[in-house]
Amino acid sequence: DAKTTQPPSMDCAEGRAANLPCNHSTISGNEYVYWYRQIHSQGPQYIIHGLKNNETNEMASLIITEDRKSSTLILPHATLRDTAVYYCIVSYNTGFQKLVFGTGTRLLVSP
Amino acid sequence: GAVVSQHPSWVICKSGTSVKIECRSLDFQATTMFWYRQFPKQSLMLMATSNEGSKATYEQGVEKDKFLINHASLTLSTLTVTSAHPEDSSFYICSVREAWGEQFFGPGTRLTVL
Repeated sequence: DAKTTQPPSMDCAEGRAANLPCNHSTISGNEYVYWYRQIHSQGPQYIIHGLKNNETNEMASLIITEDRKSSTLILPHATLRDTAVYYCIVSYNTGFQKLVFGTGTRLLVSP
Repeated sequence: GAVVSQHPSWVICKSGTSVKIECRSLDFQATTMFWYRQFPKQSLMLMATSNEGSKATYEQGVEKDKFLINHASLTLSTLTVTSAHPEDSSFYICSVREAWGEQFFGPGTRLTVL
């Protein structure tokens, strides 16, 4: 079973920051927080992951609370192409560990 | 990151026939691959973990005799849907996971069973 809770949907204006929250109150000490997104009828796309420090890459920033029970994915300047379902997943950081998807957040970026 | 391809991208078949879907890791040797299924407006559901050179590990509720998985090499895993029926119509997605944890997905295969 998925171990995360996300709002089912969010709206964002184009050019504004999109902040997507995720609760993972039962995360264990060695589990990472992963974010993926899925654009309609495509395979999921990796965005970012982290353990406890905040992370940033060319796509997004990941802010993890100090107690690690929640996190926020930030898309700094959302575009229409960022419209997708965003999934927050917790998992151990090994090559054989499966990822279990929850229901995700459907982000709609509007002009 | 790893590049994953799937073939075919879509397939239509008659009820009762078998369909094979290929998943290839183009630039990464994957000892483990994963197969997911996604119904319309639903999330991805993990079907099985494909292990190179050994039997796949199926998730609870997934019929291993119906969904045959063969991981013959470090770059190829196949999923065969045997005796397909309309309820098997779905979007099938494979993935590979690198040693450091990032998982990369194929583009998916849309199966329609008439």
